[in-house]
Amino acid sequence: GESVGLHLPTLSVQEGDNSIINCAYSNSASDYFIWYKQESGKGPQFIIDIRSNMDKRQGQRVTVLLNKTVKHLSLQIAATQPGDSAVYFCAVVYSSASKIIFGSGTRLSIRP
Amino acid sequence: GAGVSQSPSNKVTEKGKDVELRCDPISGHTALYWYRQSLGQGLEFLIYFQGNSAPDKSGLPSDRFSAERTGGSVSTLTIQRTQQEDSAVYLCASSLDPPTVYNEQFFGPGTRLTVL
Repeated sequence: GESVGLHLPTLSVQEGDNSIINCAYSNSASDYFIWYKQESGKGPQFIIDIRSNMDKRQGQRVTVLLNKTVKHLSLQIAATQPGDSAVYFCAVVYSSASKIIFGSGTRLSIRP
Repeated sequence: GAGVSQSPSNKVTEKGKDVELRCDPISGHTALYWYRQSLGQGLEFLIYFQGNSAPDKSGLPSDRFSAERTGGSVSTLTIQRTQQEDSAVYLCASSLDPPTVYNEQFFGPGTRLTVL
């Protein structure tokens, strides 16, 4: 079956430094991948996605890297700010099954 | 515009009672999902509705859990004879179609269920 994991449960980063959050997945039959940000008391919010035929995609201060060979996904946040404090989830989409499998999440905390 | 809304925001119940959780998706969204998020955990898929098709119930953890979607809009998740392990945040999400790279899932704020 599908699984998504290998998150570090917590990541502490100095304000202004770059953050890298990693995710691994097991099933190669995935269509695309999403990163979500979940702030305390709120539902997950879409950050960025990447198709399975791409290996890099950039947004505003965020970059997602996909390595299909080792089934690994990462989210890089540049110049981390206090507002970036949240739990970050990766999600793997299997469109043929209309399923999204979420990882367990990484809590990002920012040191002043 | 209005996002996905859920009610109640918090629900405390006694073990053995039934509860109903409500989700109002974004107008026009044909796909609706329910997830469960236990403390410090990721999102666990429960059930998926797509238009008039039969729902995908493959994630429901037991027959105590059921869900309906009336008129292709509002959905209700019902948990019968609640147990303490049912305590979690229940999240609803909607999208225009089954998830593709073009159709983002929008999440509601969730209902925090506590079973005493």
